[in-house]
Amino acid sequence: TQLLEQSPQFLSIQEGENLTVYCNSSSVFSSLQWYRQEPGEGPVLLVTVVTGGEVKKLKRLTFQFGDARKDSSLHITAAQPGDTGLYLCAGYNQGGKLIFGQGTELSVKP
Amino acid sequence: KAGVTQTPRYLIKTRGQQVTLSCSPISGHRSVSWYQQTPGQGLQFLFEYFSETQRNKGNFPGRFSGRQFSNSRSEMNVSTLELGDSALYLCASRDSRTYEQYFGPGTRLTVT
Repeated sequence: TQLLEQSPQFLSIQEGENLTVYCNSSSVFSSLQWYRQEPGEGPVLLVTVVTGGEVKKLKRLTFQFGDARKDSSLHITAAQPGDTGLYLCAGYNQGGKLIFGQGTELSVKP
Repeated sequence: KAGVTQTPRYLIKTRGQQVTLSCSPISGHRSVSWYQQTPGQGLQFLFEYFSETQRNKGNFPGRFSGRQFSNSRSEMNVSTLELGDSALYLCASRDSRTYEQYFGPGTRLTVT
C-alpha cells in the first residue's frame, strides 16, 4: 500500500519565522502535488513536482522533490499570518487513485 | 473559467436518511472525483467518474454511490446515513492534460 506521511502534523510559529514541512513515502511516485486548504473550503493546488531533485518556487514557498521521487518538502520563508492553513501533499498510487498525506496544520501568529 | 461548484454547501440529516450531493466540474473537465474529509481519517478517495463511467473506487461501503451525467456533472448519494458519515465531502475535477485536480468548496454534512 502506498502511503504518504507528513510531518509535523501541527506547527505553530510566529510571523517572520521559517518552516519546513515534509512528505515521505517508501514508494516511488511519478509526481507529487502540494495543496493548501483553509477552514470550510476545498484544497487549492499550489504546485506539482515531477522530476526527481526538482525545486519549484512560489514567492516565499519552495518545494522540492526528492532525487528518488519518494519524498518532498515545502519550505516557507518569513511566514505570514496569511500562510495559516492545512498543507497537504498528494500523489497518484499505482491504482490511479490520488492519495493524500494526513496534512500539516500551520498556524502563524502575528 | 468558473471553478468547481458543489451544492448544497451545508446539510443536516438524521441517521437512517439518505442524501444526494451535487458537483459541477470545470468546463471541459471530464473526470470528477469525490473525497470524504474527516479530522480523524483525513482526505479519503471515494470514487472517480470519467465520461459517465466509474473508473475507480475507494474502500467505502456500498451505501456510498455516485453517477455522472453526459454534461460531466456528478452526484453522489449516501443511503442509510450513520453518525460516522458526518464529514466534508469534496468534489474535484481533473485536467486530462496535466492530471492536476481542482477542488470545489465542499459540502459539510452533519448526521444527527
